[in-house]
Amino acid sequence: AQTVTQSQPEMSVQEAETVTLSCTYDTSESDYYLFWYKQPPSRQMILVIRQEAYKQQNATENRFSVNFQKAAKSFSLKISDSQLGDAAMYFCAYRPDTGNQFYFGTGTSLTVIP
Amino acid sequence: DGGITQSPKYLFRKEGQNVTLSCEQNLNHDAMYWYRQDPGQGLRLIYYSQIVNDFQKGDIAEGYSVSREKKESFPLTVTSAQKNPTAFYLCASSPWDSPYEQYFGPGTRLTVT
Repeated sequence: AQTVTQSQPEMSVQEAETVTLSCTYDTSESDYYLFWYKQPPSRQMILVIRQEAYKQQNATENRFSVNFQKAAKSFSLKISDSQLGDAAMYFCAYRPDTGNQFYFGTGTSLTVIP
Repeated sequence: DGGITQSPKYLFRKEGQNVTLSCEQNLNHDAMYWYRQDPGQGLRLIYYSQIVNDFQKGDIAEGYSVSREKKESFPLTVTSAQKNPTAFYLCASSPWDSPYEQYFGPGTRLTVT
């Protein structure tokens, strides 16, 4: 069974500093996709970044980057130069290459301290 | 403007009543999903549909029902058999069999008293 684990229910970071959110997953598949979603207080889910498992290069989107370790089944999100607008709940998600079901972690609540 | 709409944003019902949550998308996506979100539990899958007139149970389907008569629409009915219906409900869609992410609606907060 596929499971996604986020072991940090809450994290905080000083404005302009860097923070890393952790995510691990369990799967027997070799091809899959990983995602980080942001859910601000409005509760609208927003895609932050996507990683294809077959790509060795870590994905980056402006201040957001991932550290994808396929052998360790680890997919952490790094937020650089944190801004007040980054404060949100962050969810890690996994999708196998076959099928359309997504699996979500329980989320990490990020607070940004001015 | 392409996207997913859910209505209403807030919904109140008395215990024992069935209630239907609306979800419409104009993204031409084949797959649609319903999730329930409770504090500390992330997103839990209720039902998903890969094609019109077909749907599969997710992890917590008991007490819920769905239909998929049109590609654009995937309404969720919360029945009186659902023991703890008060929650935030999210609808999502994605293209079929592709690496793309899910797109989410704004959600409906259901309160049953």
